[in-house]
Amino acid sequence: IQMTQSPSSLSASVGDRVTITCRASQSISGYLNWYQQKAGKAPNLLISAASSLQSGVPSRFSGSGSGTDFTLTITSLQPEDFATYYCQQSYNTPFTFGPGTKVNIK
Amino acid sequence: EVQLSESGGGLVQPGGSLRLSCAASGFTFSSHAMSWVRQAPGKGLEWVSAISGSGGSTFYADSVKGRFTISRDNSKNALYLQMNSLRAEDTAVYYCAKDTEVVPPAGDAFDTWGQGTLVTVSS
Repeated sequence: IQMTQSPSSLSASVGDRVTITCRASQSISGYLNWYQQKAGKAPNLLISAASSLQSGVPSRFSGSGSGTDFTLTITSLQPEDFATYYCQQSYNTPFTFGPGTKVNIK
Repeated sequence: EVQLSESGGGLVQPGGSLRLSCAASGFTFSSHAMSWVRQAPGKGLEWVSAISGSGGSTFYADSVKGRFTISRDNSKNALYLQMNSLRAEDTAVYYCAKDTEVVPPAGDAFDTWGQGTLVTVSS
């Protein structure tokens, strides 16, 4: 299953609303996870099963979608949110990640 | 506190072998599948391999099938990745990751990651 993300990068300001899209090459039901990775660090799980926010993750992060199309939304971008975001399907092995979306400071 | 710590990375020549280890603590190790995920320098994440909680089921990416072997020792809370016939394209930081499920695939998510260990394949 191939995963694509758009955009590949974006520039945004603190307080902006940001939306990242992830698309699967076939239906994966709701088996879609989102990770945040900061430079030089391991990834961190933000959202599992398309919309389930992990404990400790700020409520400004939300996920939606099913089938082949999914979105990650950050409602009010904070300085600590500048990072690269990856989607990952867990519908079947081999598990596959999207290519990532880098969120830069405008 | 749930913790994962990888070791065993280093510089190896093409065609060589390396064994990575991951020490786990803070959770019931045998109740969770485990995966290895790698990241080539400046690139994205690539899932490499997974193993069920009991160790009875293993899964591999096509890029490593037949060359890498995942295993675990639940008595030692340890995960391993034996890497043979290494190629330049295997150069990456290798992370071990704790799975939310016992037996993949079942809507797995990787909720805890180690700090990673760098493997460099070069002559």
